[in-house]
Amino acid sequence: EVQLVESGGGLVQPGGSLRLSCAASGFTFSSYWMSWVRQAPGKGLEWVANIKQDGSEKYYVDSVKGRFTISRDNAKNSLYLQMNSLRAEDTAVYYCARWNLATVTQFYYYYMDVWGKGTTVTVSS
Amino acid sequence: DIQMTQSPSSLSASVGDRVTITCRASQSISSYLNWYQQKPGKAPKLLIYAASSLQSGVPSRFSGSGSGTDFTLTISSLQPEDFATYYCQQSYSTPGTFGPGTKVDIK
Repeated sequence: EVQLVESGGGLVQPGGSLRLSCAASGFTFSSYWMSWVRQAPGKGLEWVANIKQDGSEKYYVDSVKGRFTISRDNAKNSLYLQMNSLRAEDTAVYYCARWNLATVTQFYYYYMDVWGKGTTVTVSS
Repeated sequence: DIQMTQSPSSLSASVGDRVTITCRASQSISSYLNWYQQKPGKAPKLLIYAASSLQSGVPSRFSGSGSGTDFTLTISSLQPEDFATYYCQQSYSTPGTFGPGTKVDIK
């Protein structure tokens, strides 16, 4: 079964750090771009970061640049998000997701087809 | 960054109704548009990719259309399990921005 399982969430004080993990199973993890997406309480979805299959390319939403670092360990089938200098506005459920690729009429299209159940991060004093 | 908008923000409908949700991009994104369904307390689920391609296992009552800046998600006959929030997302450029969501609830 294709599965993603997040862990590492919790309560942290403003300015603190947290490291999220996402364990992948049931597919060849090293073949896919991976993402972190978050959802603040009662709000919509926000893409946070992407990482290429070999870790050589990483992209971040502006609001987390310089504070968050996405990484992966293909030998352990794991994705990570190191979150530093946390703010109250980082409070959210954090999902990891797999980016898949399809060819439609000779063009390549990306989409997130597998999602974990999420881990909750609360930043509060 | 590309901004995504959706309309309506919420709607009330009955089982069996035809429902249409609109998504608009702030610039042309060709067909790089995905639709997701999310139920309370659950992770999002992919419904449609590349604007109109149905994800495997998704019922055929869901369909997507559009290109450029204007897109629609249609549910041809609303079922009880379809009451949820629906998000569009562009995959044309990074960041892969989502629309604000459309909540579909029971009339």
